[in-house]
Amino acid sequence: AQSVAQPEDQVNVAEGNPLTVKCTYSVSGNPYLFWYVQYPNRGLQFLLKYITGDNLVKGSYGFEAEFNKSQTSFHLKKPSALVSDSALYFCAVRRANQAGTALIFGKGTTLSVSS
Amino acid sequence: DGGITQSPKYLFRKEGQNVTLSCEQNLNHDAMYWYRQDPGQGLRLIYYSQIVNDFQKGDIAEGYSVSREKKESFPLTVTSAQKNPTAFYLCASSTVAGANVLTFGAGSRLTVL
Repeated sequence: AQSVAQPEDQVNVAEGNPLTVKCTYSVSGNPYLFWYVQYPNRGLQFLLKYITGDNLVKGSYGFEAEFNKSQTSFHLKKPSALVSDSALYFCAVRRANQAGTALIFGKGTTLSVSS
Repeated sequence: DGGITQSPKYLFRKEGQNVTLSCEQNLNHDAMYWYRQDPGQGLRLIYYSQIVNDFQKGDIAEGYSVSREKKESFPLTVTSAQKNPTAFYLCASSTVAGANVLTFGAGSRLTVL
């Protein structure tokens, strides 16, 4: 069965410092991995995805994520956090050979950036 | 602009009543999805559809029903059989090819009084 784990319910970081939001996954075969962000009472917005190729993926708003196959991880990173980055972040996965199937989401991590 | 429209944004229901949440997309996507979001539980899949007139149950389909009569529309009915329907409901759509990045609507918040 496919699953996603986000081990931290909340991450706190000061503005200007680097941030990391952790994600590990379990899937048979090759994974497609995604990060989404959600602001209060809104839908999810796509940040970035890993399909194949370079393990470091760059996305929207200066975010990037590193795919590590041996550790089955896909951590979200940003070199310098902004207060406006404060939101709920979701990691998601699906099997690469299952086009059109639903994504499996983690429980989410709340990022709080203080000024 | 292309996107997904969910309505209503807020809905209140008495116990024992069925309610239908609307989801319409103009992205020409073949696949559509319904997720339920509860605090601390992330997103859980209710139903999804990859093509008109066909849909599959997700992890928490009990107490819900859907239809897919048109490519653009995927309404969700929350029936009286759903024991704890108060939640935030998210509709999404995607292509069925490639990485199928999901595009989400703004959500509908259902409260049962």
